[in-house]
Amino acid sequence: GNSVTQMEGPVTLSEEAFLTINCTYTATGYPSLFWYVQYPGEGLQLLLKATKADDKGSNKGFEATYRKETTSFHLEKGSVQVSDSAVYFCALSPRRTALIFGKGTTLSVSS
Amino acid sequence: DAGVIQSPRHEVTEMGQEVTLRCKPISGHNSLFWYRQTMMRGLELLIYFNNNVPIDDSGMPEDRFSAKMPNASFSTLKIQPSEPRDSAVYFCASSIGTGEGYTFGSGTRLTVV
Repeated sequence: GNSVTQMEGPVTLSEEAFLTINCTYTATGYPSLFWYVQYPGEGLQLLLKATKADDKGSNKGFEATYRKETTSFHLEKGSVQVSDSAVYFCALSPRRTALIFGKGTTLSVSS
Repeated sequence: DAGVIQSPRHEVTEMGQEVTLRCKPISGHNSLFWYRQTMMRGLELLIYFNNNVPIDDSGMPEDRFSAKMPNASFSTLKIQPSEPRDSAVYFCASSIGTGEGYTFGSGTRLTVV
């Protein structure tokens, strides 16, 4: 079956620290992979995506590379800011059905 | 574009009452999704529509839940009768196709007392 596993949070960092949030997946075929971000009191927003192996998605300083050999799509950012505090969701798109989301990882950045 | 619009933003109701949540997707998007978010279960897909037709409702918890999409610009999720365990944030999302990035609404926070 199709599933997404994310590292459990919360992740607590100081401003300007390096961020990694791990995401691995199980899927049949070759799904697209996504990272979404949810700020307090809001809906999820698409952060970045990758549609095939070795693609790198990037946005607002965040990056993730589609690794087929390790079935991973880890989210990274070189220097986090307080404004990056949010919940981050990894998701995959199986063929002809809805996105499957991980459970989310809470990031808290302090100044 | 105003994005995906959900109403109401907050709903507090008594157990046993009927609750109706509403969603207006982005114009031109042909797929619409209802998700439920709780601390315990995370984000769960309840049902999704493609071109106004329900495609997968296997996530609907039980017969108390029903969803309709009478036209391309409107969908409802109804709970009758409501129970305290239905308390959650309910999100609507829309997209062009099922495999593309979704645009989410701001959600409806439902509290059943």
